Amino acid sequence: DAGVIQSPRHEVTEMGQEVTLRCKPISGHNSLFWYRQTMMRGLELLIYFNNNVPIDDSGMPEDRFSAKMPNASFSTLKIQPSEPRDSAVYFCASSSAPRDNEQFFGPGTRLTVL
Amino acid sequence: QQPVQSPQAVILREGEDAVINCSSSKALYSVHWYRQKHGEAPVFLMILLKGGEQKGHDKISASFNEKKQQSSLYLTASQLSYSGTYFCGSGDSGYALNFGKGTSLLVTP
Repeated sequence: DAGVIQSPRHEVTEMGQEVTLRCKPISGHNSLFWYRQTMMRGLELLIYFNNNVPIDDSGMPEDRFSAKMPNASFSTLKIQPSEPRDSAVYFCASSSAPRDNEQFFGPGTRLTVL
Repeated sequence: QQPVQSPQAVILREGEDAVINCSSSKALYSVHWYRQKHGEAPVFLMILLKGGEQKGHDKISASFNEKKQQSSLYLTASQLSYSGTYFCGSGDSGYALNFGKGTSLLVTP
């Protein structure tokens, strides 16, 4: 069974451009999490969904960030416009239950904003 | 609120033991431990749900002191494969995990 799939794996863009990161959770998992990892701040939770519904987006840094989950097998994280300080590794994770269950992480997308 | 991990980094020789601590200023419902190797995604190690609970996985075990709002991860007779960054995640009454900044562990031959 495939794990969590993320695309692209690497993204280099210029400041001001729109960036869209994609995630396909493990089939049957109904909880999905977006994280951002930097050296300074560590692993931060941005937003999580349960049954395709956003439950908590308090970790989303600014209005420039938005996330959607149109169906159980797909989610996007969009940054518009992107800024150099958005450079980080973005992980998507899924779980079979929102609470107290193992989260399976995707390989991550390394974003560089010039 | 982000839990605090200590130490930030540790270097061991193969076969030595190590302890990584995780503490929170908020009441904890659960504690999760993950390990991340360089350039890879975090991988689940274990979850502790009850105060006083202890778990083990091979030679890696953990304890959870609910009253003290802290957890410790014990690595016994470390192996080269244990190298990586260890994260604790604190679960409160909600659903989300707040991860600490991680403890970098290097096991040398």
